[in-house]
Amino acid sequence: QKEVEQNSGPLSVPEGAIASLNCTYSDRGSQSFFWYRQYSGKSPELIMFIYSNGDKEDGRFTAQLNKASQYVSLLIRDSQPSDSATYLCAVNIGNQGGKLIFGQGTELSVKP
Amino acid sequence: EPEVTQTPSHQVTQMGQEVILRCVPISNHLYFYWYRQILGQKVEFLVSFYNNEISEKSEIFDDQFSVERPDGSNFTLKIRSTKLEDSAMYFCASSELGVAGELFFGEGSRLTVL
Repeated sequence: QKEVEQNSGPLSVPEGAIASLNCTYSDRGSQSFFWYRQYSGKSPELIMFIYSNGDKEDGRFTAQLNKASQYVSLLIRDSQPSDSATYLCAVNIGNQGGKLIFGQGTELSVKP
Repeated sequence: EPEVTQTPSHQVTQMGQEVILRCVPISNHLYFYWYRQILGQKVEFLVSFYNNEISEKSEIFDDQFSVERPDGSNFTLKIRSTKLEDSAMYFCASSELGVAGELFFGEGSRLTVL
């Protein structure tokens, strides 16, 4: 059973701080990794994707991938109350159909 | 910006009834998916569809479920005889590239089975 694990939280950070979200995955054949944000009652919204080991930065967001340790993380700098949401880690295990396996999500709360 | 659209946004049905959920994927995308999310739980894969056929399906996607692309734009999910446990948010998604590509999700169809 291919699994993606996240701490469900809630993770609470003050406004302006760095929020760090972590995810581990079980399948070493996983090829691509995605972070989605989901507001309550809404659909997942893609924030970032990463394919190679190392860091990838996009504005206030940085995704980090370590395939040897099978973890991927998301850092949110200068956190804002509008960042409060559930963050979903999703992994593509390289199958032809391109399906993603999702973690259960980490709830982030940014306090003003 | 192109988006995936889904209808209806909410459907209430009686147990045992058939339900069809509709999706219009992004026009140049080639891979289509249905996911579901039971309240408070993970987003779960149901089925992927490429080149007019199912490319993969999960254990959830049993004989009660079917998908179809009846024309060049719509992608539908049919549940033949709904059960209480089918109550969930159903998300359609599409991707341009499949294996390495990002999935873009529609706003979802909330199904409530009474």
